[in-house]
Amino acid sequence: AQSVTQLDSHVSVSEGTPVLLRCNYSSSYSPSLFWYVQHPNKGLQLLLKYTSAATLVKGINGFEAEFKKSETSFHLTKPSAHMSDAAEYFCVVSGEGSGNTGKLIFGQGTTLQVKP
Amino acid sequence: AAGVIQSPRHLIKEKRETATLKCYPIPRHDTVYWYQQGPGQDPQFLISFYEKMQSDKGSIPDRFSAQQFSDYHSELNMSSLELGDSALYFCASSVRDKTYTDTQYFGPGTRLTVL
Repeated sequence: AQSVTQLDSHVSVSEGTPVLLRCNYSSSYSPSLFWYVQHPNKGLQLLLKYTSAATLVKGINGFEAEFKKSETSFHLTKPSAHMSDAAEYFCVVSGEGSGNTGKLIFGQGTTLQVKP
Repeated sequence: AAGVIQSPRHLIKEKRETATLKCYPIPRHDTVYWYQQGPGQDPQFLISFYEKMQSDKGSIPDRFSAQQFSDYHSELNMSSLELGDSALYFCASSVRDKTYTDTQYFGPGTRLTVL
């Protein structure tokens, strides 16, 4: 069965410093991987998506993620944090062979705090 | 650009009452997914529809039912509500591709509170 593990429940950075949110996945097949962001009392917004094309995926708002099959990781990074980046971030997996129906499986979430 | 519309945005019900949540997908999207997000938890898949047929079912209680209509909008019906049903309910829509790696676009959610 597929799963994702977000290694940090809470990450705190200072504005202008790099962001690293870690995610490991488990899948028997080549997965599709996503990062979604949820601001307080808001819906889920897609940041970026990996579907077996380029291993380095660029998303919105300066975020990017690198798919590393050997490490089963899909970490999210941003060179310089902004105050507006403070939110909950979910690493998500989809796609398990012929039985795949597209449903998303979410990680536990990482709360990103950005300090002035 | 048009987004996924959910109504109502907020709903307050008493225990044992019923609730109906509606979802209007992005135009030309043929697939709808429902997710439930409890307080402080990650979203959990409930059910999905493709071309008006149920395509997958997750951890959805038997008290809940859903369907997708001819205009592709979907409704989630919840009966005999319990306190534990209080959650944020998201609808997402997508255009199904051959590899089932379609991108899901989420609505703003319906916050259901059961008293």
